[in-house]
Amino acid sequence: AQTVTQSQPEMSVQEAETVTLSCTYDTSENNYYLFWYKQPPSRQMILVIRQEAYKQQNATENRFSVNFQKAAKSFSLKISDSQLGDTAMYFCAQDYGGATNKLIFGTGTLLAVQP
Amino acid sequence: AAGVIQSPRHLIKEKRETATLKCYPIPRHDTVYWYQQGPGQDPQFLISFYEKMQSDKGSIPDRFSAQQFSDYHSELNMSSLELGDSALYFCASSLASGSYNEQFFGPGTRLTVL
Repeated sequence: AQTVTQSQPEMSVQEAETVTLSCTYDTSENNYYLFWYKQPPSRQMILVIRQEAYKQQNATENRFSVNFQKAAKSFSLKISDSQLGDTAMYFCAQDYGGATNKLIFGTGTLLAVQP
Repeated sequence: AAGVIQSPRHLIKEKRETATLKCYPIPRHDTVYWYQQGPGQDPQFLISFYEKMQSDKGSIPDRFSAQQFSDYHSELNMSSLELGDSALYFCASSLASGSYNEQFFGPGTRLTVL
């Protein structure tokens, strides 16, 4: 079975600093997608960034970037210049692949940005 | 841009009652997914539909059923509700032919079973 592991239940960072959230996954698929979702107190699931496994170049979206290590099955999220609005639960997720593309989520990392 | 619509947003039921959750995907999206997120937990996949046919089934109790209609909206029917069914239920939609397999999530329906 495919699994996604986030080993940091909680993290804290000072405003304007950089923080990295870790994620590892396990899959036998060769082509798949990886995602980071943000869930603020409103509980809305917001896509932060996505990575296609067949692309070696790490994805970036403004202050958010990933470090994708396919061989190590690692997919970390770096948030630069952290802002108070970044405070949220962050879920790493993998597309299961195949015909259904259901998402398998990690247990989440609660990030608190301190003023 | 239009987003995924879920109704109702909040629902309170008694044990053993029945609940129906509705999901209206983004226009032209052909795939719908249902996820359940218990308190303090990550979302768990329940079931998905593609072109009105069930495409996959996850850890969905037999007391639950779902379908996708001709207008692509979907309904999750939950019977004999239990306390443990209290959760946030997300619907997400996607376009199967889309290049990024991005699932767009609705705001969720918060179900409380008393």
